[in-house]
Amino acid sequence: NAGVTQTPKFQVLKTGQSMTLQCAQDMNHEYMSWYRQDPGMGLRLIHYSVGAGITDQGEVPNGYNVSRSTTEDFPLRLLSAAPSQTSVYFCASSYGQQNTEAFFGQGTRLTVV
Amino acid sequence: DAKTTQPNSMESNEEEPVHLPCNHSTISGTDYIHWYRQLPSQGPEYVIHGLTSNVNNRMASLAIAEDRKSSTLILHRATLRDAAVYYCILRDRYNTDKLIFGTGTRLQVFP
Repeated sequence: NAGVTQTPKFQVLKTGQSMTLQCAQDMNHEYMSWYRQDPGMGLRLIHYSVGAGITDQGEVPNGYNVSRSTTEDFPLRLLSAAPSQTSVYFCASSYGQQNTEAFFGQGTRLTVV
Repeated sequence: DAKTTQPNSMESNEEEPVHLPCNHSTISGTDYIHWYRQLPSQGPEYVIHGLTSNVNNRMASLAIAEDRKSSTLILHRATLRDAAVYYCILRDRYNTDKLIFGTGTRLQVFP
């Protein structure tokens, strides 16, 4: 049972480049979400999904796109990277009920130069 | 979303108990109280959750005030590995898909 797997662990992009951060979970969770964490701050929600084919915006969605074609995968796309998107990105999944826990990946550290 | 308030930082010595407070005065009757922690350079990990009654698990205990406006995460014997940022989060029934993180409490543990 691998839990939540994020790839890559580290990435450096040039301003204007695009890339996709991958997130996969093997727990059959319906709920998946993406967060970013800037230095010294808590996590902020970017986008989330309550099931395959359903996505919605979180607190800071600008500059990011998501799609959910399968239960297992929830990729995060940066269409045109900007230095302000330099951050650590975490993916999470859960069953979604109030009394269940969320599982987080180990994060992707992204630097945009 | 109901908000939580936590101290920015706390300190403890190894093998001593630690009480991490959280205020949530606007909590609704159906909100669950969750605690997560984030070790250095890692993703957050679940610690414990509760609704009204005090809860215990292998990692910690959660004490919930009778009026539910505050709660306390209790680490019975702190170890160096418990040094982390601890987040208190309310999970309401209308937004179960989202966890709203504050800035948490940074716990330092000294040998």
